[in-house]
Amino acid sequence: DIQMTQSPSTLSAFVGDRVTITCRASQSISSWLAWYQQKPGKAPELLIYRASYLESGVPSRFSGSGSGTEFTLTISGLQVDDFATYYCQQYNSYRRTFGQGTKVEIK
Amino acid sequence: QLVESGGGVVQPGRSLRLSCAASGFTFSNYGMHWVRQAPGKGLEWVALISYDENNEYYADSVKGRFTVSRDNSKNRLYLQMNSLRTDDTAVYYCAKDWEVGAAGGYFDYWGQGTLVTVSS
Repeated sequence: DIQMTQSPSTLSAFVGDRVTITCRASQSISSWLAWYQQKPGKAPELLIYRASYLESGVPSRFSGSGSGTEFTLTISGLQVDDFATYYCQQYNSYRRTFGQGTKVEIK
Repeated sequence: QLVESGGGVVQPGRSLRLSCAASGFTFSNYGMHWVRQAPGKGLEWVALISYDENNEYYADSVKGRFTVSRDNSKNRLYLQMNSLRTDDTAVYYCAKDWEVGAAGGYFDYWGQGTLVTVSS
C-alpha cells in the first residue's frame, strides 16, 4: 500500500497567519491527492482535489500544490473557522490511504 | 445525502451489519467506500465497492472479516463485519467516490457516521 506521511502532527498558529502542511507519499501518485478538513464530531469535508483544485464553495485562502511524492496545503490568512484537523489522501490506488492528520490549534 | 445506521455495542467475536442510505444522486453510477475513525485517531480507509458490484477492495486490517455490498435497487450500501475485535471500535463513515464508474476518485460526499463499539 502507498503510505502517506503528514507533517507536522500539530501546528499552533495565530489568526491571520499563513500556515503550510506537508504530505509525502511513499511512491509517486502523480497529482492524485485530496485534502480534507475535519472538525470535532463531524465528518470530513473535501477542500482540494487533484493536488491543487479547490472544491466548489471552499474559500480561496486554501490552496494546494505538488506532484509526485511531495504536496502542500497552505492556508493564507488563518481564520477562526479553520482551526480543525486536516488530512491528505491518495487516490492513485484503489486501496486509498490517508495521512495521519495535522491538527491546527489556536496559539 | 448519505445516512449510516446499524452501529452499536457488540461483543468481541460477534457480527454487525452497517447500512448506508443514499439519496440525491444516481447511486448505481458511483463506487462507494467505507472509512473508519477510532476514538481520537485518524481516518482509515476500510473498503470500496464498484458501481456495478463487480469489484471489491479491502484494507488489510479487515480483509477476510468484513464484506462490502450494495443494493442499487434500494440505493443502499452495506458493510458486514464478522469476527469483530476491540480494535474495530470506531465511527464508520460511508463516502461517495467522485468519479462516475471507475471509482478512482476522491470522496466528495460523506455520511455523518455511525459508532461501533466492540467490548465485552
